[in-house]
Amino acid sequence: DAGVIQSPRHEVTEMGQEVTLRCKPISGHNSLFWYRQTMMRGLELLIYFNNNVPIDDSGMPEDRFSAKMPNASFSTLKIQPSEPRDSAVYFCASSRHLGGRVNNEQFFGPGTRLTVL
Amino acid sequence: AQSVTQPDIHITVSEGASLELRCNYSYGATPYLFWYVQSPGQGLQLLLKYFSGDTLVQGIKGFEAEFKRSQSSFNLRKPSVHWSDAAEYFCAVKGMGNEKLTFGTGTRLTIIP
Repeated sequence: DAGVIQSPRHEVTEMGQEVTLRCKPISGHNSLFWYRQTMMRGLELLIYFNNNVPIDDSGMPEDRFSAKMPNASFSTLKIQPSEPRDSAVYFCASSRHLGGRVNNEQFFGPGTRLTVL
Repeated sequence: AQSVTQPDIHITVSEGASLELRCNYSYGATPYLFWYVQSPGQGLQLLLKYFSGDTLVQGIKGFEAEFKRSQSSFNLRKPSVHWSDAAEYFCAVKGMGNEKLTFGTGTRLTIIP
């Protein structure tokens, strides 16, 4: 099993540019999560999908952030326009939602380290 | 609302010494509890989890954790640490019917020879 795949691993961009982060969940998993990790705020859940549908996006910081999941094997997190305060490590995680049983673990990708200059 | 407190930001222990990392949670019903480890530049890896049953759970890499409902705690332990255990450790909680994991702020573990 390849695990959760994220690309790119590192991204350096200039303020105002559009940034797109990509995630491929583990095959067979039907829930996908986007997290942001910073020194100041720790790990924050931005948004999560179940069966490709966004369930909770209350953690998305502002309208500059958007996420999509066009199919079960791919998701994107887009920041447009990017700002220096968006610099962070962005993690994608996936899990298998088993009906009423939600005691399933999340598997994390290696993260994308974003630097906005 | 659910929350997790990890009171120790940074812990230093000698190689071969025992380890206990503290975690306190707040949740109104039966919690599902997790410990994850993050090595530098890496994603999070699950060490162990508690859902129900035996309150002492065993995990990978020789770690264990004990769920104490009366203390709202889920402390992580290891009898003898190895230099490779140096990493950041996160406790997390979620509830039944809820996929959202809430993480603590993490404890950074340093191992000295």
